[in-house]
Amino acid sequence: GNSVTQMEGPVTLSEEAFLTINCTYTATGYPSLFWYVQYPGEGLQLLLKATKADDKGSNKGFEATYRKETTSFHLEKGSVQVSDSAVYFCALSSNAGNMLTFGGGTRLMVKP
Amino acid sequence: DTEVTQTPKHLVMGMTNKKSLKCEQHMGHRAMYWYKQKAKKPPELMFVYSYEKLSINESVPSRFSPECPNSSLLNLHLHALQPEDSALYLCASSQGWAGSGEKLFFGSGTQLSVL
Repeated sequence: GNSVTQMEGPVTLSEEAFLTINCTYTATGYPSLFWYVQYPGEGLQLLLKATKADDKGSNKGFEATYRKETTSFHLEKGSVQVSDSAVYFCALSSNAGNMLTFGGGTRLMVKP
Repeated sequence: DTEVTQTPKHLVMGMTNKKSLKCEQHMGHRAMYWYKQKAKKPPELMFVYSYEKLSINESVPSRFSPECPNSSLLNLHLHALQPEDSALYLCASSQGWAGSGEKLFFGSGTQLSVL
């Protein structure tokens, strides 16, 4: 079956630090990969996605590259802000079912 | 309008009560979802509706009863819940199948407490 593994948090960084949140996956076929973000008290929002190998998704300074050879989709940002504090979920979908498979989530805390 | 609206935002109910959660979207999306999210956990899929028909039920107990009255509305009827059902209930929608790489739009959720 499909599964997503991401690094456990919390990740605590100072403002303007470099961010990496690791995500690896197991899936049959050719999944689409996503990063969703959940701010406190809110639902999830799509941050970025990639639908095929070597695609790079990017949004709001965040990037992630679909690496089929390492089955990874690591999230990076060059300079985090306090407003980036949230929980980040890596997820995949495949045509094996009409659903997303989520990783466990990583809480990011950015301090001024 | 790119929002999914959920009401109420908070709900406290006793184990003998009957209540309903409501979800609405006006984006013309044909797939709608209910997820349950416990604190510090990822969302867990409960139900999927496609073209107003229930297409996936993830072995959810019968005390949760979904309903899709029309293409814009999704309800979740609650009856005889247990304290362990306390969670954030999220509604989502997508234009097409989530399995085809479609983006899901999530509502802000209903925070449910069962006493």
